Amino acid sequence: DQQVKQNSPSLSVQEGRISILNCDYTNSMFDYFLWYKKYPAEGPTFLISISSIKDKNEDGRFTVFLNKSAKHLSLHIVPSQPGDSAVYFCAASVGDYKLSFGAGTTVTVRA
Amino acid sequence: EPEVTQTPSHQVTQMGQEVILRCVPISNHLYFYWYRQILGQKVEFLVSFYNNEISEKSEIFDDQFSVERPDGSNFTLKIRSTKLEDSAMYFCASTKQTNEKLFFGSGTQLSVL
Repeated sequence: DQQVKQNSPSLSVQEGRISILNCDYTNSMFDYFLWYKKYPAEGPTFLISISSIKDKNEDGRFTVFLNKSAKHLSLHIVPSQPGDSAVYFCAASVGDYKLSFGAGTTVTVRA
Repeated sequence: EPEVTQTPSHQVTQMGQEVILRCVPISNHLYFYWYRQILGQKVEFLVSFYNNEISEKSEIFDDQFSVERPDGSNFTLKIRSTKLEDSAMYFCASTKQTNEKLFFGSGTQLSVL
């Protein structure tokens, strides 16, 4: 399943700076997009979502941007904190909640 | 916050044996799912379940797999005759309705020897 791609396997960022995670998708039928965060030995934890009728959604330090024409979404974390160090998964669905996941980006926040 | 509970956290089995992975979804949720993640690979959808029946399944979910909601609280995944390639982390998930966030359990690490 190559419908959702996260091309950067890892990202290292200084504490307090912005983390930008990118995700591309191929299926134009996707209408709901989510970001999940995962720590080792735990299940994915929901972070933030956006529906295809919006281009931005914000929740505290997390903002998701959706560019439908480019089939691209991004997650901004500002400011980055050490507790943000985790694997971040982009996921997308066509209404029915069968999620297609990206491969994940490992974020390391340096003190 | 309510959570999805999965047991056991680790399961080791011999190839060809049957395994049952157990999940207790969040109590007022109606949609239930199993996903899995093979080491180093993506999280993959296996099956969705609603109103006591499978609503969708992936090509991975062949005749060796089955799901059941035996009572009002448990949701199980059975693998009838395990293969080496079934070794993975299996995640149960639930949601109240579609287009709401999916809550995942902590997973069961299945190792088939």
